[in-house]
Amino acid sequence: SQQGEEDPQALSIQEGENATMNCSYKTSINNLQWYRQNSGRGLVHLILIRSNEREKHSGRLRVTLDTSKKSSSLLITASRAADTASYFCAPAYTGSRLTFGEGTQLTVNP
Amino acid sequence: NAGVMQNPRHLVRRRGQEARLRCSPMKGHSHVYWYRQLPEEGLKFMVYLQKENIIDESGMPKERFSAEFPKEGPSILRIQQVVRGDSAAYFCASSPTADGLYGYTFGSGTRLTVV
Repeated sequence: SQQGEEDPQALSIQEGENATMNCSYKTSINNLQWYRQNSGRGLVHLILIRSNEREKHSGRLRVTLDTSKKSSSLLITASRAADTASYFCAPAYTGSRLTFGEGTQLTVNP
Repeated sequence: NAGVMQNPRHLVRRRGQEARLRCSPMKGHSHVYWYRQLPEEGLKFMVYLQKENIIDESGMPKERFSAEFPKEGPSILRIQQVVRGDSAAYFCASSPTADGLYGYTFGSGTRLTVV
């Protein structure tokens, strides 16, 4: 399977805390993407990190990539109730469509 | 730039009826993907289409389900003789390339309820 596996399955934190989600994959990638899905909505593309990058920032999001361990992490700093959503990682391979795992369900309590 | 448009947003069908779900990809995107999502579950791939061609339908049930992406007009996911188990959210995504290197843009989904 070429899908990523997110960990943990569910995460519950208080507003203002940081949230860290992890993703593991099996074979060498071209890039890795993170998506968010709010309840009842379609997935929204958050950030893309290329295989030759180690870290990338976008606002309160920080993504790291460790190709030697075939893993990535998504850090959301100073979380807000509006960050409550499911988060999916998608490893991208040349010539292949994206596949999605079960995601991490993040709940941010006010 | 209207993004990926799916309609209807909600669809109620009685058992045995047909359901037609429509998806208009982003302008400039010629690759369309359909997914099904049950409550509290992840996205399950159904079918990948390019204009006038089905590229990969490995995730689509062999019976009652069909998909098309004609030269003109939206992509259609058709479910014949719906059953209660077809109740789910169906999402469409589009991309500019045949692989996912540039990411997918998703629509807001169609929620199908079979009564």
